Amino acid sequence: KNQVEQSPQSLIILEGKNCTLQCNYTVSPFSNLRWYKQDTGRGPVSLTIMTFSENTKSNGRYTATLDADTKQSSLHITASQLSDSASYICVVSADSWGKLQFGAGTQVVVTP
Amino acid sequence: GAGVSQSPSNKVTEKGKDVELRCDPISGHTALYWYRQSLGQGLEFLIYFQGNSAPDKSGLPSDRFSAERTGGSVSTLTIQRTQQEDSAVYLCASSREAKNIQYFGAGTRLSVL
Repeated sequence: KNQVEQSPQSLIILEGKNCTLQCNYTVSPFSNLRWYKQDTGRGPVSLTIMTFSENTKSNGRYTATLDADTKQSSLHITASQLSDSASYICVVSADSWGKLQFGAGTQVVVTP
Repeated sequence: GAGVSQSPSNKVTEKGKDVELRCDPISGHTALYWYRQSLGQGLEFLIYFQGNSAPDKSGLPSDRFSAERTGGSVSTLTIQRTQQEDSAVYLCASSREAKNIQYFGAGTRLSVL
């Protein structure tokens, strides 16, 4: 069973609207949680990284939250743009050397 | 180079043939990782290098898969006697040290016919 679960699997939003993606994890012990953006045909690009003590982290129009007690994270996209169309991947690091556990991603499509 | 470079970008091969995939990490990055991404699936860890040694190769799916890294830089992932289920995008990433942010290459799309 995947230790990092993401929802929804996909969503379609209108340009300019906001959306929130969810991530639940069971990885333990926990080191840090990352959100990556992956454009079609490209490698993933890091958006945010949060440690146990951080509740929120922003990167432009992207804001990630973390509740380490409930093992939940969210990624909020504000005022979406067409270029936000991509797969958003939640990644949890646990192992001593920082081994990453990947969620299956949420496919976001922003339409005009 | 400016980023992680992988070659070839696409590889089509026949079942049973051997393939070699290459990764050039960002200069100065000591940690290098290989992942596999199948259609609609999350990234699957294959192997981690620290320098030229591989402290964790637990993700290699079978003994047909092997990887090496030389000079603390370039890495090669070799798949012997390819099978159709090996078809996937193989991604390489590097980081300055383990636990740092990983920077990914664009991947090699492998198709086994």
